[in-house]
Amino acid sequence: LAKTTQPISMDSYEGQEVNITCSHNNIATNDYITWYQQFPSQGPRFIIQGYKTKVTNEVASLFIPADRKSSTLSLPRVSLSDTAVYYCQSWGRGTGRRALTFGSGTRLQVQP
Amino acid sequence: DAGVIQSPRHEVTEMGQEVTLRCKPISGHDYLFWYRQTMMRGLELLIYFNNNVPIDDSGMPEDRFSAKMPNASFSTLKIQPSEPRDSAVYFCASSSRDGQPQHFGDGTRLSIL
Repeated sequence: LAKTTQPISMDSYEGQEVNITCSHNNIATNDYITWYQQFPSQGPRFIIQGYKTKVTNEVASLFIPADRKSSTLSLPRVSLSDTAVYYCQSWGRGTGRRALTFGSGTRLQVQP
Repeated sequence: DAGVIQSPRHEVTEMGQEVTLRCKPISGHDYLFWYRQTMMRGLELLIYFNNNVPIDDSGMPEDRFSAKMPNASFSTLKIQPSEPRDSAVYFCASSSRDGQPQHFGDGTRLSIL
């Protein structure tokens, strides 16, 4: 079983902001929180990573509350090409295979 | 920089045959992971290595599966004998150190007839 929980699917429209929340109640002190994107027939691709507070890069923002038991991936102004499966992960030194096990991910469908 | 390189990209073989999947991680990465993805079971961790040493192989389905990492730039996943239920996409990934992002290869799509 994965160490994280996230919604199975979400729908959105082009141009909207999408927020996907992940629960990781058993996060360990050493764990980093990482989000990946996967398109069909490809391997998961790194999007963003953080430890606490807020991180922003050119494609997304990651919000992590002080207790770190959840995280929210924010995709601004999504387009059709953002239709994919999104996975969250938290792992670090000593946290083992459960942390490295991906859950079902969130299937994001963006409509025109 | 080259990413994680997997070969072959596709493999079709008959049940009972030996299958060997290969992976070249990103240079300088200390961790290497083998995953299997199917519609039914999602993305499963099979085994991972740290500095060429297997750390956890509890995800390996059964004795028919074996993985080796003879040096820092090469790993193999072997299935012998193969069965139709082994059909899946197998991904290799590497990471520079604990907790850092995993970089995945393009996968090997394996079909056992």
